[in-house]
Amino acid sequence: GAVVSQHPSWVICKSGTSVKIECRSLDFQATTMFWYRQFPKQSLMLMATSNEGSKATYEQGVEKDKFLINHASLTLSTLTVTSAHPEDSSFYICSASPLAGVINYEQYFGPGTRLTVT
Amino acid sequence: GDSVTQMEGPVTLSEEAFLTINCTYTATGYPSLFWYVQYPGEGLQLLLKATKADDKGSNKGFEATYRKETTSFHLEKGSVQVSDSAVYFCALNSGGYQKVTFGTGTKLQVIP
Repeated sequence: GAVVSQHPSWVICKSGTSVKIECRSLDFQATTMFWYRQFPKQSLMLMATSNEGSKATYEQGVEKDKFLINHASLTLSTLTVTSAHPEDSSFYICSASPLAGVINYEQYFGPGTRLTVT
Repeated sequence: GDSVTQMEGPVTLSEEAFLTINCTYTATGYPSLFWYVQYPGEGLQLLLKATKADDKGSNKGFEATYRKETTSFHLEKGSVQVSDSAVYFCALNSGGYQKVTFGTGTKLQVIP
């Protein structure tokens, strides 16, 4: 159980276009989902925390107008990279925490999405 | 704030060697501690976890013990295999649905 999927697994887009990445919890409901960015040979950097039905909370230094996050349901969060540029190329990973009442302080991670902007 | 410090890599070992990857942490309260593994080109997978002091997490031959007195959670394996080659991340969660704090990762390369 506790499976999180991401789609697409990799995407190539042209500079100036927008790309949407989906994160789904397949077998549990997630009140909270997290979006991370991973640079080559580096650790994960938390970009934002999204709670179902409310606005995302962005970490300092993350442009909220560039990285749009929507958590429309208890099983789906989306990250849209708007007006992408080559420096946005990265590995984006989401994670999800289950509903309150489930005894677990663990986050379940998706497999990641490789974005390349040309 | 919370932080995780783990040994820098890369670590290169011969097959069947003993592995230790050190991890220490600072946190408020009583965090849960995790080791995640990332294989090349893939996302993170939970390797093991411990939620309170003196707990030992174990999985696939890997072990780590939650040491509150030394604020450590070192990862060990008695005999590594080539298939263990990956990046290992130590992490903590201070509770609830707060964000996970990751260490910088340690790359392990096991050679035949």
